Amino acid sequence: DAGVIQSPRHEVTEMGQEVTLRCKPISGHDYLFWYRQTMMRGLELLIYFNNNVPIDDSGMPEDRFSAKMPNASFSTLKIQPSEPRDSAVYFCASTLGQGSTEAFFGQGTRLTVV
Amino acid sequence: SQQGEEDPQALSIQEGENATMNCSYKTSINNLQWYRQNSGRGLVHLILIRSNEREKHSGRLRVTLDTSKKSSSLLITASRAADTASYFCATEGGSWGKLQFGAGTQVVVTP
Repeated sequence: DAGVIQSPRHEVTEMGQEVTLRCKPISGHDYLFWYRQTMMRGLELLIYFNNNVPIDDSGMPEDRFSAKMPNASFSTLKIQPSEPRDSAVYFCASTLGQGSTEAFFGQGTRLTVV
Repeated sequence: SQQGEEDPQALSIQEGENATMNCSYKTSINNLQWYRQNSGRGLVHLILIRSNEREKHSGRLRVTLDTSKKSSSLLITASRAADTASYFCATEGGSWGKLQFGAGTQVVVTP
């Protein structure tokens, strides 16, 4: 398996634009997580899914953020409209579940909102 | 909000020395994990210790867990320049499967 795949790797966008980040988890993993990493706030859990169902979205900062998992092999994190303070590295991770909680991370998407 | 807090925030040592970092957490856990992050990369899982375990080893890594103090430590023995990275603890507890990370310890190993 190629591991967790995120796209794009880098995204530069203007304030007010919609941004969509994409993630393909490891095949067979039941859990998918979206994290945001900044120098100021560290690694924050935004939302996680179990079997494509959102379990906890309490970390999503505002209504401008939304996440979906339409099937077991794909998830999106959308920011609309984007703001400069959304600039961060966004990570997707997946875990097997079924008693195993070791997380496998993607390479991240570095988002810059100007 | 973060569950774990690492200490120290940064650590600078020479090759061959041991590196020790600590993690404190707030609520009960099922397990605690340690991850490494090289600059600009995703996190990589190092070791997991369950709440009923007190110590675990993996190669040059030794992890301890004290649930009464809600703390854990990670020891890297005989450090190498390649160990230069940020190290994070992560707790899994409460909602099963929910992993929350601390702020990390930045370790620099100089040759």
